[in-house]
Amino acid sequence: DGGITQSPKYLFRKEGQNVTLSCEQNLNHDAMYWYRQDPGQGLRLIYYSQIVNDFQKGDIAEGYSVSREKKESFPLTVTSAQKNPTAFYLCASSISRPQPQHFGDGTRLSIL
Amino acid sequence: DAKTTQPNSMESNEEEPVHLPCNHSTISGTDYIHWYRQLPSQGPEYVIHGLTSNVNNRMASLAIAEDRKSSTLILHRATLRDAAVYYCILRDVRYEKLTFGTGTRLTIIP
Repeated sequence: DGGITQSPKYLFRKEGQNVTLSCEQNLNHDAMYWYRQDPGQGLRLIYYSQIVNDFQKGDIAEGYSVSREKKESFPLTVTSAQKNPTAFYLCASSISRPQPQHFGDGTRLSIL
Repeated sequence: DAKTTQPNSMESNEEEPVHLPCNHSTISGTDYIHWYRQLPSQGPEYVIHGLTSNVNNRMASLAIAEDRKSSTLILHRATLRDAAVYYCILRDVRYEKLTFGTGTRLTIIP
């Protein structure tokens, strides 16, 4: 079945550590996105990529980095510069605007 | 960004229709109306979207007001699996992001 796979489902980060969240899609979608969701709130856009080797900052990019070396993959690194990283992270993809975005099941990141 | 307004919560009885309202009085001509729903600890699931005309799919119907300043998501026969937070979102074709509000928490009563 086609879809978006995020891993791991749960992740713990130590102080001063960088961690990378994986996102893979087999939908042949050009655009991919990373969102952050805090408890009881909506999603906020971190980064997005419309094409391989290109990506753009969203509303809350500080403390995060991404790469898009392959169409299928869009990993997100949460760096030590992100002081409040505890959240639910969601990856999405879409064919193009204004088509719907399809979401993975998320990664929950916590601080040890 | 154009904003949407939804009730915080709603309840409905199982096997009855549910009408979820959304106001978007500042909608622009380049905004599509999207609906997503989210279960706890899962990613949002696309439900339906439209521009001006009413839309139907296997999950739901979307009724859009003639002036486009409001819309209603209709679940024709609610089941317990429909209990979720429902988000009404305006997606501007000029931009990439979806702007999620806090949505409507729908509770289905058996």
